[in-house]
Amino acid sequence: KNEVEQSPQNLTAQEGEFITINCSYSVGISALHWLQQHPGGGIVSLFMLSSGKKKHGRLIATINIQEKHSSLHITASHPRDSAVYICAVCDSNYQLIWGAGTKLIIKP
Amino acid sequence: KAGVTQTPRYLIKTRGQQVTLSCSPISGHRSVSWYQQTPGQGLQFLFEYFSETQRNKGNFPGRFSGRQFSNSRSEMNVSTLELGDSALYLCASSLANGVTDTQYFGPGTRLTVL
Repeated sequence: KNEVEQSPQNLTAQEGEFITINCSYSVGISALHWLQQHPGGGIVSLFMLSSGKKKHGRLIATINIQEKHSSLHITASHPRDSAVYICAVCDSNYQLIWGAGTKLIIKP
Repeated sequence: KAGVTQTPRYLIKTRGQQVTLSCSPISGHRSVSWYQQTPGQGLQFLFEYFSETQRNKGNFPGRFSGRQFSNSRSEMNVSTLELGDSALYLCASSLANGVTDTQYFGPGTRLTVL
């Protein structure tokens, strides 16, 4: 079993829909990252969380340390949000463990 | 502020050769981390440098090495290249705390080993 599991693996939605991507992990962590990777490889860091909730524009990230679960939400989704969203956790050995990513396609 | 830059962007090598990749972090950032991304394995952590010292290391063989200079620029070296080393190599910089800081990624170097 992977230490970081993301769901769903693939998600296709219509423009304007509310999107939720989930990340569950099985190790103790000191931080959790949400990143966005566009076709061509460029990776952008969206959030770094250790507790609670963060919001940036239409993006919201939450983390529940007790349940070892984090969610990334996108409100009013737009085709330019189409990308792979990756969850990564920093474990107690200071190693970054990556999820497999969620491929999101937003159709106009 | 200029972002993280990586050179070269593309590289083709043959088995047995060695390669050196370069990463220039954002000005003021002292931590540089390196990652390998392959279709089969996803993103994997190689190592992290801070103040010219390797602070953390992933599970890669000794053929993969790196260093950091006093200006925080970092290089990664892979010796005796294997076909399986073909990948996108990404570096990321952060202010000081490496993987517990927000990381800023470079565009990557795509290495093809023939």
